[in-house]
Amino acid sequence: GQQLNQSPQSMFIQEGEDVSMNCTSSSIFNTWLWYKQDPGEGPVLLIALYKAGELTSNGRLTAQFGTTRKDSFLNISASIPSDVGIYFCAGIFGNEKLTFGTGTRLTIIP
Amino acid sequence: KAGVTQTPRYLIKTRGQQVTLSCSPISGHRSVSWYQQTPGQGLQFLFEYFSETQRNKGNFPGRFSGRQFSNSRSEMNVSTLELGDSALYLCASSIQATRDEKLFFGSGTQLSVL
Repeated sequence: GQQLNQSPQSMFIQEGEDVSMNCTSSSIFNTWLWYKQDPGEGPVLLIALYKAGELTSNGRLTAQFGTTRKDSFLNISASIPSDVGIYFCAGIFGNEKLTFGTGTRLTIIP
Repeated sequence: KAGVTQTPRYLIKTRGQQVTLSCSPISGHRSVSWYQQTPGQGLQFLFEYFSETQRNKGNFPGRFSGRQFSNSRSEMNVSTLELGDSALYLCASSIQATRDEKLFFGSGTQLSVL
């Protein structure tokens, strides 16, 4: 089956710093998604991408659908304490179910 | 509008027992999916139900089963529990039957098998 590799696995940053994470696949996807999971909660959809090369923003978050269709990137600008959590990428190809990445755990150092 | 509700929030069981988890989707959502989340494996797809029918199934043993009722509520059952079944079990609902990326997740049921 398809696998999604997310990196980095964890990040420790200071408040105000920008964050970058990415997700790569062994196969192409038609749709890329980014979710965030707060401690003790289920994942929440942040951004959905539908076309290769597409760049979409949601507030301080910006995500891009890689031109090869095998990768995607998420950037967070000027991080704040509530950005703490686990970020998951997910992909869809055809009528298959969502495949999730292994997650990037973001910690903000006071 | 109420979100996806999962009960119970926490469960402690011993090896060999069975467990049933419950999920109430958002009103009007007819598709319910179940995922297992562990620190090492991330989110693994278990199965998806739509209109009381299982439409997709992940790579889990037959000890994991589920069903959906006419009101779209779903239950998941795990029989003969093993230590490795300890995980957060997440339920997600969506409006459409297939390829709907707008999954709305519940807070999950944390299962600990001793």
